[in-house]
Amino acid sequence: KNQVEQSPQSLIILEGKNCTLQCNYTVSPFSNLRWYKQDTGRGPVSLTIMTFSENTKSNGRYTATLDADTKQSSLHITASQLSDSASYICVVSRASGGSYIPTFGRGTSLIVHP
Amino acid sequence: ETGVTQTPRHLVMGMTNKKSLKCEQHLGHNAMYWYKQSAKKPLELMFVYNFKEQTENNSVPSRFSPECPNSSHLFLHLHTLQPEDSALYLCASSPQEVYNEQFFGPGTRLTVL
Repeated sequence: KNQVEQSPQSLIILEGKNCTLQCNYTVSPFSNLRWYKQDTGRGPVSLTIMTFSENTKSNGRYTATLDADTKQSSLHITASQLSDSASYICVVSRASGGSYIPTFGRGTSLIVHP
Repeated sequence: ETGVTQTPRHLVMGMTNKKSLKCEQHLGHNAMYWYKQSAKKPLELMFVYNFKEQTENNSVPSRFSPECPNSSHLFLHLHTLQPEDSALYLCASSPQEVYNEQFFGPGTRLTVL
């Protein structure tokens, strides 16, 4: 069964601290993995995308890693800011009949306190 | 802003009402999607349109009826909904039907009484 599991479900950190969010998946055949950020009351916005051959991708203070062998990904946030408070969603896509079908995780809710 | 707009942003309707959600994208994309996002659950893909043609219907109940008159507009017609249909309905678009980066709208928060 194609599934994406994220942990922790929620996380509270102080402004300026680093944090790491986890994503484990069983999606097959693997095509790509995206991390999205969803602010409250808004739609998700893509942060990073990685294919099978990539094991790290950065976007400013966000760094995603991918281990295709263990089917794990992480999103590391450096020097957190109040604006990082959001839900972070891991999405793994599989190839199917010429298309790429996404499977969404439940998301990790991050709260950054001053 | 992502270039994808949705109206209305909030909607409260009774179980016997008929209403429609509207999505418009100004990005020149060919593919458009409807998703349902319920609390504590992953996004659920509902419908996919590519070049105005429906290419995927994810076993969605018939009380949800999509319409795509052109590549820039997508509607979701609602009738005789149930309280469990209350959720955030997100529209997205992407350059082509291969699920390239999807650009999401802000969503419509739907409450069914």
